[in-house]
Amino acid sequence: RKEVEQDPGPFNVPEGATVAFNCTYSNSASQSFFWYRQDCRKEPKLLMSVYSSGNEDGRFTAQLNRASQYISLLIRDSKLSDSATYLCVVNRGNDYKLSFGAGTTVTVRA
Amino acid sequence: DGGITQSPKYLFRKEGQNVTLSCEQNLNHDAMYWYRQDPGQGLRLIYYSQIVNDFQKGDIAEGYSVSREKKESFPLTVTSAQKNPTAFYLCASSIVAGRNTIYFGEGSWLTVV
Repeated sequence: RKEVEQDPGPFNVPEGATVAFNCTYSNSASQSFFWYRQDCRKEPKLLMSVYSSGNEDGRFTAQLNRASQYISLLIRDSKLSDSATYLCVVNRGNDYKLSFGAGTTVTVRA
Repeated sequence: DGGITQSPKYLFRKEGQNVTLSCEQNLNHDAMYWYRQDPGQGLRLIYYSQIVNDFQKGDIAEGYSVSREKKESFPLTVTSAQKNPTAFYLCASSIVAGRNTIYFGEGSWLTVV
C-alpha cells in the first residue's frame, strides 16, 4: 500500500462550483499534514497546513480525519486560477521525512 | 528576496557523465532536501540534510551524491551510476527537519541525451 494515495482526477468543474477531494495515508503515527499546489512544470507551493480541528483559508477548507486516516480539501467558488495539481503531504510519524501523494488535478472551466 | 535558488533550470547529460545541480538558500534554514519528480508519481526523497556537515540517504539515493559544507548550500551530483536520471529535480528547505513546512526551489529539468 502506498504511504499517501490520491485520486488523480482530473476534476473538471465550472467556475463558481465547489470541488472536494480526499487523500488517504497509511501511517497512523503521522502528525503533520499539508496541501501543496503545483502548476504545470513548476515547483510545489504550500497551500495550507491541515490542523486537527480543520481549518479554512479563504475559499479553501481542509479537514483531517484521524480515525479513517484521510485528509480532505474543499474549494468553494472555484476560479480559473485554481486549475492546478494539488499534492497531499504527510510526515512519516517520528521520521524526518515527508511522503507526497501523486496529486489530484483540478481544471476549472469558464 | 529570500528563497531557494536552483541552477541550472535545464540541463542535458550525455550517457556516462556526472552532472551537478546547485541549490542555494538564504532563508537560514537548517534542513535541506533533494526530491525527484517523475510524471504521474509523487515526489521521492533522494537525500536530506538536517544540519551542516551532515546528510542522510533518502528513499532513492543510489546513483546520487550530495555535500553540505555550508548551511546555505546543498548541491546534488547525478552520477553515471544513475541509470534513469531524466526527471524534474526539486531542492527544498525547512527551518528544521521533520514536521515543519518545506519550501521548494524552482526546480531543475535534467534530460539524458
